This record gives sequence, C-alpha cells and structure tokens, in this order.
Amino acid sequence: NAGVTQTPKFRVLKTGQSMTLLCAQDMNHEYMYWYRQDPGMGLRLIHYSVGEGTTAKGEVPDGYNVSRLKKQNFLLGLESAAPSQTSVYFCASRRTGRHEQFFGPGTRLTVL
Amino acid sequence: TQLLEQSPQFLSIQEGENLTVYCNSSSVFSSLQWYRQEPGEGPVLLVTVVTGGEVKKLKRLTFQFGDARKDSSLHITAAQPGDTGLYLCAGAENNDMRFGAGTRLTVKP
Repeated sequence: NAGVTQTPKFRVLKTGQSMTLLCAQDMNHEYMYWYRQDPGMGLRLIHYSVGEGTTAKGEVPDGYNVSRLKKQNFLLGLESAAPSQTSVYFCASRRTGRHEQFFGPGTRLTVL
Repeated sequence: TQLLEQSPQFLSIQEGENLTVYCNSSSVFSSLQWYRQEPGEGPVLLVTVVTGGEVKKLKRLTFQFGDARKDSSLHITAAQPGDTGLYLCAGAENNDMRFGAGTRLTVKP
C-alpha cells in the first residue's frame, strides 16, 4: 500500500497562474483533507470531504477549490495563484469512526 | 489567533533530560491527538485521547487529556536525539480538525 500520495512534490508558479494538486489514497478512506502549513502557524484546514462527491470549507478556503469525483482522489485547485499562497500543502485521509489521519509527504508551492 | 495554543514554541534540551509540552484551548474537543512531524514529511499520529482525565503512555511518552477536554500535555522521560521533531496537537470538531502551531523539540546528544 502506498498510503497517501501527493503530486507534484515541488512547484513554482507566477502570480495569476493556475494549477491543480492531486492527492490519492489507497486505503479506501471516506474522509479526505487539504491543509496548508506555514511557519509559526501550524496546519490550517483549507477544504475537506466526507465522501465521494461532497466537499466542505475549512478554516482558510478562499482562493482554493476542490473536487472529489472519485473516492480515492481529492484535488486542490488554485485558479489564480497569489504570493500569499506560497506554502507547504498536505493532504490527509481517515476512516469513518477513527480519529487517526494519515498524511501525504506534502507539496511545496512557491508563487512568485 | 490559534484555536489551540502550544507551548513552548521551541525547546532545546540535552539527551537524558525530561520535558513537558502543553496544548491549551478555550474550546472543548471530542478528541485530541498528538502528532510528530519530521522535516520534509507529513505528521504521523502518536496518540489519540478521548476521555477527560485520560492518561496514555507510549514507551517514554506520557499523554494527558484535561478533565474538561480543553487541554493536553505530553511528557517525555529521558529524551533521546531520535525524539527531535515538531510535535503538533490537534482537536477534533465534528468533521474537521484544528491544529496547534507546534512545539519544535531538539534533543542534543
């Protein structure tokens, strides 16, 4: 089992460009999450999904969109990147009824 | 403002010393988790506490959940260099999780 994988691992964007981050999990988990991690601020929840076809806003959703068309995949989109979105992005998943979240290795995004 | 406040933010100690780090909030959580994160990797779960007053031990690590389920502590006995990392607490609120900013621990040999 690969667990939770994220692509790409690194990306540099110019202001105004768009991109999609892909998260995939092979554990058949119902819940999936997208976080951003910035120095001194810990992990902040962007969006999450409680199942295929459903998404919900987290703590810092502005500037991001998500889609969960398949249970194993959770996509995070930036339509018009801004320097404030420079961060490390983590995806996580968990099973219904369990507290433990399994995290991917992260995507380091720089917006110039 | 962080929903979960962790202290201290940084901690540097010698191998063999004991330490305690704290996670405090004004909110009540249904459960609280502690994660450890190493550079370039995602957080990995250490423990989940659910019941107020609960104490869990994981080898040299002791976790305690406050009676009111608003705060928690992590105590490490005889710290080792392998304990170095970022320790994050996270509280569960319905379907989402709120993380503290973390305590960055360095254990020097």
